[in-house]
Amino acid sequence: KAGVTQTPRYLIKTRGQQVTLSCSPISGHRSVSWYQQTPGQGLQFLFEYFSETQRNKGNFPGRFSGRQFSNSRSEMNVSTLELGDSALYLCASSSRGGGTVWELFFGEGSRLTVL
Amino acid sequence: AQRVTQPEKLLSVFKGAPVELKCNYSYSGSPELFWYVQYSRQRLQLLLRHISRESIKGFTADLNKGETSFHLKKPFAQEEDSAMYYCALSEGSARQLTFGSGTQLTVLP
Repeated sequence: KAGVTQTPRYLIKTRGQQVTLSCSPISGHRSVSWYQQTPGQGLQFLFEYFSETQRNKGNFPGRFSGRQFSNSRSEMNVSTLELGDSALYLCASSSRGGGTVWELFFGEGSRLTVL
Repeated sequence: AQRVTQPEKLLSVFKGAPVELKCNYSYSGSPELFWYVQYSRQRLQLLLRHISRESIKGFTADLNKGETSFHLKKPFAQEEDSAMYYCALSEGSARQLTFGSGTQLTVLP
């Protein structure tokens, strides 16, 4: 079973630009979450999508947005990039089935550098 | 708001020695607690969850609601245990984790 796939793996942007990151979840997983990882703030939750609907959102400005497609693939977009947006963006998928036993399966991340 | 604290950024032990990675949390409800691990050049992955009461790779973690702690323990550390360990909390049915800042464990030969 293929794992969570994120593209691109690395990218460099300049302030003011926008960026779109893509995530393909594990086959059969319908929940996709996004996390931002930085040395200063650690791992922070951005948002979660399930069946094309945003279920939860973290404490990030409106410049951060996302969406999920009918095949469960997800994209996140950051507009008007700031230097502080430089981070590793991790995508994770989950089966989000019934019951309380669940886990997140993480991708390798997309490393964004904003100059 | 929920919060997870891992007081040690770095922890070094010798092979064969016991190891304990500390995790404290603040949350008013009934949390689900997890330990995630990231080995060098690998993805972040689940190590264990409190609800399953399991032992994975010799590691165990007990949820102490009185002390709001979920420390990770292993009686005899191995060199392959060297990794970054994250304690994480989830509230209710949300697939949303609040992570601690992580502890880098190094097991010395």
